Parts: sequence; C-alpha cells; structure tokens
Amino acid sequence: GDSVTQMEGPVTLSEEAFLTINCTYTATGYPSLFWYVQYPGEGLQLLLKATKADDKGSNKGFEATYRKETTSFHLEKGSVQVSDSAVYFCALSDSIRNTGFQKLVFGTGTRLLVSP
Amino acid sequence: KAGVTQTPRYLIKTRGQQVTLSCSPISGHRSVSWYQQTPGQGLQFLFEYFSETQRNKGNFPGRFSGRQFSNSRSEMNVSTLELGDSALYLCASSQLQGSEQYFGPGTRLTVT
Repeated sequence: GDSVTQMEGPVTLSEEAFLTINCTYTATGYPSLFWYVQYPGEGLQLLLKATKADDKGSNKGFEATYRKETTSFHLEKGSVQVSDSAVYFCALSDSIRNTGFQKLVFGTGTRLLVSP
Repeated sequence: KAGVTQTPRYLIKTRGQQVTLSCSPISGHRSVSWYQQTPGQGLQFLFEYFSETQRNKGNFPGRFSGRQFSNSRSEMNVSTLELGDSALYLCASSQLQGSEQYFGPGTRLTVT
C-alpha cells in the first residue's frame, strides 16, 4: 500500500537557522501531499499542501514542492523561530476505490526543537 | 466558524471497560474520520462516516466501532479496553468525502 517515510528526529536548530525535513512517499496513483504540524497537547493543523506534480505549497514561511520524479515533498523554512518547535508530519491522501474518501497516510513525524 | 470539537479531552479507564468518545464536526461538514495516534504505530486510520453510514474502515478489530448522527456528530466506541488502546484519538471532518480534512484537538485515552 501507499506509504510515507520521513527523517528521524529530533531536529535541533538555533533560531534563524535553515530548516529541511525530508519526506519521500510511495504511491500507486497520484496522491495529494500534505504537511501537518502538531504542537504539544494539541491535534493536527494543516500547514501546507500540494495536489499535483511541481506544485509548491507554502504557508507561514514554510514551503514544500511536490517532486514526482524523486517522489519527495521536503519541508523547508529559511529562518526558524522558537515558536516553530513542534512535531511535523508528512502525509499523502490515498483514494479508496469506489468511494470519494481520501484516507490520509502519515509518516512517523519529525520533532523540531528550536533554541533561542 | 467553530472548529472540530472533541469530548472529553482526557479519559482514564481500566482494562475491560468500554469507552465512548464524541466528535462534533465543523458546521456543514458531512464526513467524519477517526484516527488513532500512538508512539509505536503512529497515526492510523480507524474509520470514516458519511451521511450516517460507515463508508470506510481501517485495520482495527471489531472492538472499535462508531456511528454518526443526522447532525453529522460522531461517536466512537471501544469495548473491552486493552492497555494497547491507550492513545490520542483524533477526529477530522471534511465538507465532502474528498475534501480537505480538519482535525480536532483529540481525546487522550489512558487505559490502566
């Protein structure tokens, strides 16, 4: 079945450093790709998404580009802040045959720790 | 517009008991999905309800069940609780089955 692999954490950075969190996927079709963020004690918040190859999703300074040739969707931010400390999940939508529903398949999550 | 709400936020139960969790979707959303999050297995899809019918189900035993009401609110039930059922249970709603999913804050269930 479809799957998502993302880099192990934690990723520890100083404020204003450049961030990259790697994400690769395996899918039989053409899924949409997502990055979700989870702050301590909270649920998941959609950070950004891309629905087709070469699309770039962006939000709050974060960016990710849907690369079909490398089956990747790496998350980047030019200058991280302490408030970005959270767990980041890469996910794809897996269309279930004969229904309109798109099940989300998540990676294991990458914890980001940003120090002042 | 209010977001997805889940009640209760925290719950402690004993092995063998049963539990019911509740999810109120965003107004106008008709599809509700449930996910289980554990440190070992990560985030896994439980089931999805649309128009009061379970349309899709993940790979979980029959002890996990749910339902959806006419106002789209959903409940999930876990019977004969096991220690391994300790998890954060997340509910997500979407306007239609193929639409973007919005997550609630989750219910953290601890089984002792």
